[in-house]
Amino acid sequence: ETGVTQTPRHLVMGMTNKKSLKCEQHLGHNAMYWYKQSAKKPLELMFVYSLEERVENNSVPSRFSPECPNSSHLFLHLHTLQPEDSALYLCASSQDERTSAELFFGEGSRLTVL
Amino acid sequence: SQQGEEDPQALSIQEGENATMNCSYKTSINNLQWYRQNSGRGLVHLILIRSNEREKHSGRLRVTLDTSKKSSSLLITASRAADTASYFCATGRTNNAGNMLTFGGGTRLMVKP
Repeated sequence: ETGVTQTPRHLVMGMTNKKSLKCEQHLGHNAMYWYKQSAKKPLELMFVYSLEERVENNSVPSRFSPECPNSSHLFLHLHTLQPEDSALYLCASSQDERTSAELFFGEGSRLTVL
Repeated sequence: SQQGEEDPQALSIQEGENATMNCSYKTSINNLQWYRQNSGRGLVHLILIRSNEREKHSGRLRVTLDTSKKSSSLLITASRAADTASYFCATGRTNNAGNMLTFGGGTRLMVKP
């Protein structure tokens, strides 16, 4: 148990569906992240939130829409996804957004887009 | 191209042997971190080494950093079957947004009992 909980653990959706991934951290951290992990590719940083404010968006397609209502919760809203978006989506948190901060990861949400 | 690249991509050893994984990077960094990932699970932080440090130990782990060569190594001594996992290096750099950790592609380690 890392203190970062992701739901659902597995999700299968069609290209026209709308779904959301949820992340909750119980560590009192101020920064939260979404990463994408595809087969045979390095982890890709998608979004960074610090104190509920988005501080980084790595040119992610608009079909991925993050939401951070408070410092403990992070969502990734998904709509009209493509099959190539199938991947493991990892949420992480850290004490703050400094580069020396250790990241605490959730177990991930395995997404399959049909 | 990616910032951190691990070498080898896959490593298979016998229990009790040492495992060495290498990481090379391209740009200046503030720190370098190593993470472990069991299959289908999240990443777990192992160790952080700052750019002004050359070596760090944690239990059976030893990490070195050579900023002149832009490389780091992770040594796991007296390996166990439970060490079987993927190991990633992540380089930290500063930009206006703060914490930008860039991960490499990982080394898949298999330790045979």
